[in-house]
Amino acid sequence: GQNIDQPTEMTATEGAIVQINCTYQTSGFNGLFWYQQHAGEAPTFLSYNVLDGLEEKGRFSSFLSRSKGYSYLLLKELQMKDSASYLCAAMDSNYQLIWGAGTKLIIKP
Amino acid sequence: ETGVTQTPRHLVMGMTNKKSLKCEQHLGHNAMYWYKQSAKKPLELMFVYNFKEQTENNSVPSRFSPECPNSSHLFLHLHTLQPEDSALYLCASSQAGGDYNEQFFGPGTRLTVL
Repeated sequence: GQNIDQPTEMTATEGAIVQINCTYQTSGFNGLFWYQQHAGEAPTFLSYNVLDGLEEKGRFSSFLSRSKGYSYLLLKELQMKDSASYLCAAMDSNYQLIWGAGTKLIIKP
Repeated sequence: ETGVTQTPRHLVMGMTNKKSLKCEQHLGHNAMYWYKQSAKKPLELMFVYNFKEQTENNSVPSRFSPECPNSSHLFLHLHTLQPEDSALYLCASSQAGGDYNEQFFGPGTRLTVL
């Protein structure tokens, strides 16, 4: 079956760095997405990886290892507004997104 | 503002009611999606429309009925729902046909079934 695993909840301190891990098992693979979702709001796109390696975009970076079925989202210089859920989703061979349950990130002052 | 709007934002209905959720995208996309989001669960894909044609129906009960009159509008008609159908219903759109399928989401309709 197809499956995405990510931690349910993480806590970090303002100004610190946090890494949110995601492992995936899909029928075929056409890329890995990360979305951010604030409470009561729409998920918004953060990053897309299809090749191995690290993609950096400002304070946020995303890493992919296709051989390990593994990705992580790295958030640097955490700010209070980064408190949100982070959703990992892998695209299967039919170009459909398989979603994880999301990681709720709590930022403490 | 993602370019995808949904109405209503909140809906409370009884099990015998009939209601409809509306989604509109202003992005020129040709694919639209309905998702169900329940607390602490992955997003559940319900329906997919590509170029107004339904291409996915992931074993959704018949009490949910989608309608896509054109590539900009998507409806979800609801009737005789159950309390377990209470959830956040998200609409999304994307530009189908390419390898990169970034989906843009609306803010969702928070549905409560009494």
